[in-house]
Amino acid sequence: GAVVSQHPSRVICKSGTSVKIECRSLDFQATTMFWYRQFPKQSLMLMATSNEGSKATYEQGVEKDKFLINHASLTLSTLTVTSAHPEDSSFYICSANTGGGEETQYFGPGTRLLVL
Amino acid sequence: QKEVEQDPGPLSVPEGAIVSLNCTYSNSAFQYFMWYRQYSRKGPELLMYTYSSGNKEDGRFTAQVDKSSKYISLFIRDSQPSDSATYLCAMSDQAGTALIFGKGTTLSVSS
Repeated sequence: GAVVSQHPSRVICKSGTSVKIECRSLDFQATTMFWYRQFPKQSLMLMATSNEGSKATYEQGVEKDKFLINHASLTLSTLTVTSAHPEDSSFYICSANTGGGEETQYFGPGTRLLVL
Repeated sequence: QKEVEQDPGPLSVPEGAIVSLNCTYSNSAFQYFMWYRQYSRKGPELLMYTYSSGNKEDGRFTAQVDKSSKYISLFIRDSQPSDSATYLCAMSDQAGTALIFGKGTTLSVSS
């Protein structure tokens, strides 16, 4: 299957700082990528849909000024958590759609964020 | 009523057992159905993908979709301890759109 990478895999930061998470599709181009967050023992919650070359579409309740998404190319989307607070600590996962009329989404390995 | 319902378990079975996991959904427009496996602290791994109704088999895994009943299943034959993970069903109504996930079922296979 297709490969999606994320970097970093784990990050610890101080409250008030900003953290950038990268999501890359390694062997295919993805016009659409998705960002999810997952709390312990819960399912994935969609945060936003990232479209190459245009603004991201955010789900209700997700602050677009806090979670900045940039889909700069067909293989890279970034999520920046600005002015992070302890309640932003979570597991952030991206996925990419392979396109071609199929609905197969491949997920990255996730990024664990801990805000102290 | 949530769009996708999935029993969270946990489900515990002995090695070699047949495991049945299932999800129900309410949106009749869903036509893309997936099963993902997620190990602790890892991203979900795509196991099975089915478009519309029918069965699909891949090794020890069989996925079934019954659109008339709005019910999907994943069967695991000859379960192994390495199958111990959380299994998530996911679905969507259009290609290229975000997936709607079930809560996930935690499976434990004991040797």
